[in-house]
Amino acid sequence: GAGVSQTPSNKVTEKGKYVELRCDPISGHTALYWYRQSLGQGPEFLIYFQGTGAADDSGLPNDRFFAVRPEGSVSTLKIQRTERGDSAVYLCASSPGTSGYNEQFFGPGTRLTVL
Amino acid sequence: AQSVTQPDIHITVSEGASLELRCNYSYGATPYLFWYVQSPGQGLQLLLKYFSGDTLVQGIKGFEAEFKRSQSSFNLRKPSVHWSDAAEYFCAVGGDAGKSTFGDGTTLTVKP
Repeated sequence: GAGVSQTPSNKVTEKGKYVELRCDPISGHTALYWYRQSLGQGPEFLIYFQGTGAADDSGLPNDRFFAVRPEGSVSTLKIQRTERGDSAVYLCASSPGTSGYNEQFFGPGTRLTVL
Repeated sequence: AQSVTQPDIHITVSEGASLELRCNYSYGATPYLFWYVQSPGQGLQLLLKYFSGDTLVQGIKGFEAEFKRSQSSFNLRKPSVHWSDAAEYFCAVGGDAGKSTFGDGTTLTVKP
């Protein structure tokens, strides 16, 4: 009964570098969500997948951010040319469906620090 | 656009005392409402949720919340707080396709 896992738990990088953050959802969950949580704030929606396709990426802040879920399970959030303002905790959640009432199960997050 | 406001950034209560955390939301239709708890280094854990029906919702760890449509509120309560309840609490409203909008959280400190 594994929950949502995220790797790495911590990532420190330098400004301008490329990073990848991985999310392993609960087996069988078709929906997968990425959120970003800045210090002192609640999680903010970035993107969600239904199956393999990105159904809504309206929360991605700019084109430096991209996410994939090629086989409908594991997802990777990719950030190019990182900036100090990208420092935050990146949370992944999975859900059995995309209805508003479906519970989302959250991973522990990846803390990204851009120096 | 949907939004959530948690007016209290930080609350301190004594162990054994009652607790109420406030949440106000803005949403065009009948909302799906959630309360989550986040302990340091942990992911968000769902405490309870409201979709329809009875406006008083029971959750885990002895928490309950009451939906009041007239006040656009969904306050979280617990009759007797335990030291292990110290954490950050987030209220959220579920929107289209499950995209949740969260408040900025309330940090709960429990005094012995």
